[in-house]
Amino acid sequence: DAKTTQPNSMESNEEEPVHLPCNHSTISGTDYIHWYRQLPSQGPEYVIHGLTSNVNNRMASLAIAEDRKSSTLILHRATLRDAAVYYCILRDPPPNAGGTSYGKLTFGQGTILTVHP
Amino acid sequence: NAGVTQTPKFRILKIGQSMTLQCAQDMNHNYMYWYRQDPGMGLKLIYYSVGAGITDKGEVPNGYNVSRSTTEDFPLRLELAAPSQTSVYFCASSYAGGRGDTQYFGPGTRLTVL
Repeated sequence: DAKTTQPNSMESNEEEPVHLPCNHSTISGTDYIHWYRQLPSQGPEYVIHGLTSNVNNRMASLAIAEDRKSSTLILHRATLRDAAVYYCILRDPPPNAGGTSYGKLTFGQGTILTVHP
Repeated sequence: NAGVTQTPKFRILKIGQSMTLQCAQDMNHNYMYWYRQDPGMGLKLIYYSVGAGITDKGEVPNGYNVSRSTTEDFPLRLELAAPSQTSVYFCASSYAGGRGDTQYFGPGTRLTVL
């Protein structure tokens, strides 16, 4: 499986932007980059995903490097509710590319984001 | 929609006991998954199902069994509970297993085996 590398922890102040980096130097041409987050004592929740182009949704933006070897999740104005563990995940490729048929999500240890009031 | 629901929220088992963790989804999703999360770690896949009647092993299936008789339900059975199975268990579902697809997670079941 292609792997991702994230910092163990990051800190931010409320109302400020947060840039969460992720390195995935062994990404294949067809791997999607997914971000999930896990709030304390809750199940993970989907944040955003992308393939090549930058993506925006109501929760965040995803900036993908031109060579796709890294990406950055951007929270435009952090709130206390954004304090969570953020996981950067490469979705498993299909069987004809050496992966599985069920789109495995492989969770690493993620980045613990602390937001200060 | 209730999304993905799990019961119970908490459970304490004695070594050797058995139990079933329940999971249900009302989104008509084909794919369902069971993960476990040990303290301070990421999630690991136990079993998954791509549709009613079809299940397969994930990364850490030993000590668990699953069945999928309906699209909505995907129970996880623990036989002969051991302390190593102390963990938080999450069920998830997705419409399909494609690489652009989103998984929706339940709130989890916190299991302690003493």
